[in-house]
Amino acid sequence: AQSVTQLGSHVSVSEGALVLLRCNYSSSVPPYLFWYVQYPNQGLQLLLKYTSAATLVKGINGFEAEFKKSETSFHLTKPSAHMSDAAEYFCAVSEGLSSASKIIFGSGTRLSIRP
Amino acid sequence: DTGVSQDPRHKITKRGQNVTFRCDPISEHNRLYWYRQTLGQGPEFLTYFQNEAQLEKSRLLSDRFSAERPKGSFSTLEIQRTEQGDSAMYLCASSLEGSEQYFGPGTRLTVT
Repeated sequence: AQSVTQLGSHVSVSEGALVLLRCNYSSSVPPYLFWYVQYPNQGLQLLLKYTSAATLVKGINGFEAEFKKSETSFHLTKPSAHMSDAAEYFCAVSEGLSSASKIIFGSGTRLSIRP
Repeated sequence: DTGVSQDPRHKITKRGQNVTFRCDPISEHNRLYWYRQTLGQGPEFLTYFQNEAQLEKSRLLSDRFSAERPKGSFSTLEIQRTEQGDSAMYLCASSLEGSEQYFGPGTRLTVT
């Protein structure tokens, strides 16, 4: 079975600092990997996805993630945090070979931005 | 394209009552998914439809839960005899086959 583990349920960074949210996955087949963001009382918005093309994936709002097969990782980064980045972030893996298959989510990391 | 919509956004009900939620997917999307998200956790898969066919159900979907998508467009999720443990955010998502899922805003259920 596929799974994801997000390291750190809460990350706090200063405005303008580097954001690094960690995610490790487990999969017996080539995975499809995703990062979603959720603002309070809202649904999830796709930030970016990895579908076996380029290992460095660029997403919306200046975020990017790098797929590292040797480390089974898919960490999310942003060079300079903005106050509007404060939200809950979920790493997820798609079970199956199609990105339209059901998604297995991690438990989430809450990102706080200090002024 | 107005995105995925869900109704109601909030529902408070007493234990033992039945509730029904509705999801309207993006119009051309043939796949529709239901997830449940409890406080402090990531969403968990419940079930999904391709057109009107329900193709997979999670073991989380007990006998008290039923989902339908009668015409391959909107979907309903009904919970019978609600329990306090059913309190959660119920999320709907839709997609085209082979593309990513787009999520709705969710229905927050509180069972008192």
